[in-house]
Amino acid sequence: AQSVSQHNHHVILSEAASLELGCNYSYGGTVNLFWYVQYPGQHLQLLLKYFSGDPLVKGIKGFEAEFIKSKFSFNLRKPSVQWSDTAEYFCAVSRRGTYKYIFGIGTRLKVLA
Amino acid sequence: NAGVTQTPKFQVLKTGQSMTLQCAQDMNHEYMSWYRQDPGMGLRLIHYSVGAGITDQGEVPNGYNVSRSTTEDFPLRLLSAAPSQTSVYFCASGPLTGDSPLHFGNGTRLTVT
Repeated sequence: AQSVSQHNHHVILSEAASLELGCNYSYGGTVNLFWYVQYPGQHLQLLLKYFSGDPLVKGIKGFEAEFIKSKFSFNLRKPSVQWSDTAEYFCAVSRRGTYKYIFGIGTRLKVLA
Repeated sequence: NAGVTQTPKFQVLKTGQSMTLQCAQDMNHEYMSWYRQDPGMGLRLIHYSVGAGITDQGEVPNGYNVSRSTTEDFPLRLLSAAPSQTSVYFCASGPLTGDSPLHFGNGTRLTVT
């Protein structure tokens, strides 16, 4: 069955700590990969995406993610988090050329000032 | 650009009442979808549409109806609301190819008492 797994459901960090959120997927064929962010009380916004090419992608606000095809993973990283990064983060996958998106259950990040 | 517009932002219903959640997009996207977001369960697809006159069920369709008479609009109908439908509902749209991120509306917070 197609699925997206996010390993950490709740993460608490202090400001300036490094962040890595895990995402693994089970989805046959060539895929597009996304990380979305949802700030408190707001809708989901695109953080970064991978379609092809360099497996290390950079997104907004200093976030980056690395696609490791052999591990079916697309982990999100940020070297130094800020209080304003407090949000929920969703990993999502779609099969290339289709509209079928699957979302992970999300990771709630709380950054302590 | 308005993007994806959802109304209302908040709604309280009594069990058994009916209502329609509105969603409109101005990006000429073929694909439109409805998700519900519940704590610890991430986003679950309710219904989706790949064009006017074409709709299909997602992961959790029971209790909901949709129609797509125009490219722009994709309303979600609750015919007889139940407390289990208390949730936050998001409408999202995107190009049919899937090679693009989804665009989300601001959400509707629905409470059924």
